[in-house]
Amino acid sequence: SQKIEQNSEALNIQEGKTATLTCNYTNYSPAYLQWYRQDPGRGPVFLLLIRENEKEKRKERLKVTFDTTLKQSLFHITASQPADSATYLCALVRGSSYKLIFGSGTRLLVRP
Amino acid sequence: KAGVTQTPRYLIKTRGQQVTLSCSPISGHRSVSWYQQTPGQGLQFLFEYFSETQRNKGNFPGRFSGRQFSNSRSEMNVSTLELGDSALYLCASSLEVSTEAFFGQGTRLTVV
Repeated sequence: SQKIEQNSEALNIQEGKTATLTCNYTNYSPAYLQWYRQDPGRGPVFLLLIRENEKEKRKERLKVTFDTTLKQSLFHITASQPADSATYLCALVRGSSYKLIFGSGTRLLVRP
Repeated sequence: KAGVTQTPRYLIKTRGQQVTLSCSPISGHRSVSWYQQTPGQGLQFLFEYFSETQRNKGNFPGRFSGRQFSNSRSEMNVSTLELGDSALYLCASSLEVSTEAFFGQGTRLTVV
């Protein structure tokens, strides 16, 4: 069956360090992969989108990589801040499926 | 530009009742998707509408239904409510399902 896996354990890091979150998928051939941030009690907020023919995308302190051979995306936050503490979700869109499917998310805690 | 508006924000219903939730997308967005979010299951895809047509549906029972109007506003309906339907229901709008999705604040439904 199709699966999107994100580390269910919280990632706890020191302020200023780089946070790296992982998204693995099986039995998908996604055309697009997206990353969202979600704070408690609020809807997810879009961060970055990367296409299947792109290896890397950057936006300010954020960087996403997409390896279709490994079926994996890595999401990096450099110079992390306590305000970056949230749950980060990856999501996939497959070709013409008209369905954006989310992973269960990884909670990031940045200690001051 | 106004964001995605979901109404109501909170709802308490009794088992067996039915409920209708509303979503007003961002102006110009024709794709509207609905998700159910629970602590144990994460964000589960319900359905996606584009120009009044349902293009995809998730694995939910027939008690869950939706529609989209000509102005792109969307409603979802849950009939014969069960305790397990208690969740945060999120609506997302986008130009197309593959582009960035903008989420509303959600409707918190509690079934007692």
